[in-house]
Amino acid sequence: QSALTQPASVSGSPGQSITISCTGTSSDVGGYNYVSWYQQHPGKAPKLMIYDVSNRPSGVSNRFSGSKSGNTASLTISGLQAEDEADYYCSSYTSSSTLNYVFGTGTKVTVL
Amino acid sequence: EVQLVQSGAEVKKPGESLKISCKGSGYSFTSYWIGWVRQMPGKGLEWMGIIYPGDSDTRYSPSFQGQVTISADKSISTAYLQWSSLKASDTAMYYCARRGIQGTDYWGQGTLVTVSS
Repeated sequence: QSALTQPASVSGSPGQSITISCTGTSSDVGGYNYVSWYQQHPGKAPKLMIYDVSNRPSGVSNRFSGSKSGNTASLTISGLQAEDEADYYCSSYTSSSTLNYVFGTGTKVTVL
Repeated sequence: EVQLVQSGAEVKKPGESLKISCKGSGYSFTSYWIGWVRQMPGKGLEWMGIIYPGDSDTRYSPSFQGQVTISADKSISTAYLQWSSLKASDTAMYYCARRGIQGTDYWGQGTLVTVSS
């Protein structure tokens, strides 16, 4: 099972909006509405930001939103803030793995 | 409050064995899958395997099958990841994480394993 494809890096200025893509196949992203997004600051454990494509867990800022079109899911961060600088990983349910889930390659978000 | 608390950092030599732990609290430990995730230095997240403590159903990623053993002791709400013979390439941060209804919703703080001669 190959990792989902994400851009290595995305950057933006404070207050701007950025979007991170996560591309898979019809066996994962395109076939199920079970895409999650995780934020990881250096030296910290990942934190769930979005689940089931577009749902936010309690306590996550509404500046974070998720969507999906075909085999590509997206995470949008609006009103970019310095604290958003981190690595972001997508994850999807997959029918191609005995573990049923696969991560994306990860994206480094830089706030300019 | 749901918590996953992992055992502390380890420094081992190649060929040594190791077992690290992940203790769950604040929820029904036997009702959720617990997984182990590897993060090598400067790299991304990789699922290694998962276990359902309720019946010990265990599944491994092909990349890790035969390389590690995942187990759980439901009497003490603890999951384990073990190696029988460590290699330098096992140097990494290892996270346990709970698979909830809302995705992989809770994570341990991580256990850093360093394997060096």
